[in-house]
Amino acid sequence: EDQVTQSPEALRLQEGESSSLNCSYTVSGLRGLFWYRQDPGKGPEFLFTLYSAGEEKEKERLKATLTKKESFLHITAPKPEDSATYLCAVQADSSASKIIFGSGTRLSIRP
Amino acid sequence: NAGVTQTPKFQVLKTGQSMTLQCAQDMNHNSMYWYRQDPGMGLRLIYYSASEGTTDKGEVPNGYNVSRLNKREFSLRLESAAPSQTSVYFCATNRRGTENTIYFGEGSWLTVV
Repeated sequence: EDQVTQSPEALRLQEGESSSLNCSYTVSGLRGLFWYRQDPGKGPEFLFTLYSAGEEKEKERLKATLTKKESFLHITAPKPEDSATYLCAVQADSSASKIIFGSGTRLSIRP
Repeated sequence: NAGVTQTPKFQVLKTGQSMTLQCAQDMNHNSMYWYRQDPGMGLRLIYYSASEGTTDKGEVPNGYNVSRLNKREFSLRLESAAPSQTSVYFCATNRRGTENTIYFGEGSWLTVV
């Protein structure tokens, strides 16, 4: 069964304190792994798509990496405005029309 | 979230009432989805439509029906609402093919009392 697990559930950091969020997955064949940011009361906002192991993508203070079993979202020197829930999702070969989401990591950055 | 519009934004229903959530997209995407989001459960797929004229069940389809009216519109209907259907509902779209990014609407907050 295709599955996505995110850890930790919640993370509190001091402004400027770098860290990483984890997304581990088991799928029959990965077509794509997605990262989203979700602010309270809003829909998920697209951040990155990764397609193959070894791929990396960056956007401002965020960098996403992918291996054959997991993805990391690295946050470098975060600011309070980076506080949000970060969602990971995978699209598997076995279900090309379905995208499976993890339960998310709630990130809080203290000034 | 420009491009995917959901209505209504908020709705309160009594148990047993019916209602339809509307979704429209102007991104010319083939696939459309309905998700529900509950605390600690993440986003769970209710129904999806890979293309105009087709619909398929997702992970949690019971108690819901959908209609893919045309390429732009995908509606979700609750025939007899139950308190367990209290949730936030998101419509989403993607183009399929080389770029699989899924784009979400702003969400519809539904409370069933």
